[in-house]
Amino acid sequence: DAGVIQSPRHEVTEMGQEVTLRCKPISGHNSLFWYRQTMMRGLELLIYFNNNVPIDDSGMPEDRFSAKMPNASFSTLKIQPSEPRDSAVYFCASIFDPGDSFASTDTQYFGPGTRLTVL
Amino acid sequence: KQEVTQIPAALSVPEGENLVLNCSFTDSAIYNLQWFRQDPGKGLTSLLLIQSSQREQTSGRLNASLDKSSGRSTLYIAASQPGDSATYLCAVIRGGSYIPTFGRGTSLIVHP
Repeated sequence: DAGVIQSPRHEVTEMGQEVTLRCKPISGHNSLFWYRQTMMRGLELLIYFNNNVPIDDSGMPEDRFSAKMPNASFSTLKIQPSEPRDSAVYFCASIFDPGDSFASTDTQYFGPGTRLTVL
Repeated sequence: KQEVTQIPAALSVPEGENLVLNCSFTDSAIYNLQWFRQDPGKGLTSLLLIQSSQREQTSGRLNASLDKSSGRSTLYIAASQPGDSATYLCAVIRGGSYIPTFGRGTSLIVHP
């Protein structure tokens, strides 16, 4: 398996522009996570999908951020309009969640991240 | 709310030293604790996972321990090498979910 795939790897945009980050989880994984990492705040969970349904979006900073998962193999994180304070590395991660039999031995697999710079 | 703290924030040591990285958490109701490695410009890679019922896990030169009652975990790296240079993050998984809470990490440099 190619692992979790994210695109683009680097994005430079100007304030006010729309930015779309993409993620393809590992085949067979049914849970997907979007994280943001900055020097100031460390690694923060933005949103968590299970079986394509958003379960916890309490980490989404504001209405400018939105995430979708139209199918099991693709997710997007959109920022509109973007601001300089959105500059960060955005990670996507996936895991297989068996549902009613939580397995405490499972680990998330992370993608390589998208480095976003908003000028 | 679970809080995870890692000490020290940064560490620079000569090759060959044995190291201890520390992680503390405020809520002991956890399912497991994981140690991740992050290389510059890369994503996170899981190193060790300790279930809440376990005390420690070992992989090669790495040994991680867990003391739930005191809310602490340590990652021990034996005979450090320059290739161990990376940021090490601790993550605590709360009960019944796969949602982790991460520490800020320890940035390690091992110089030849």
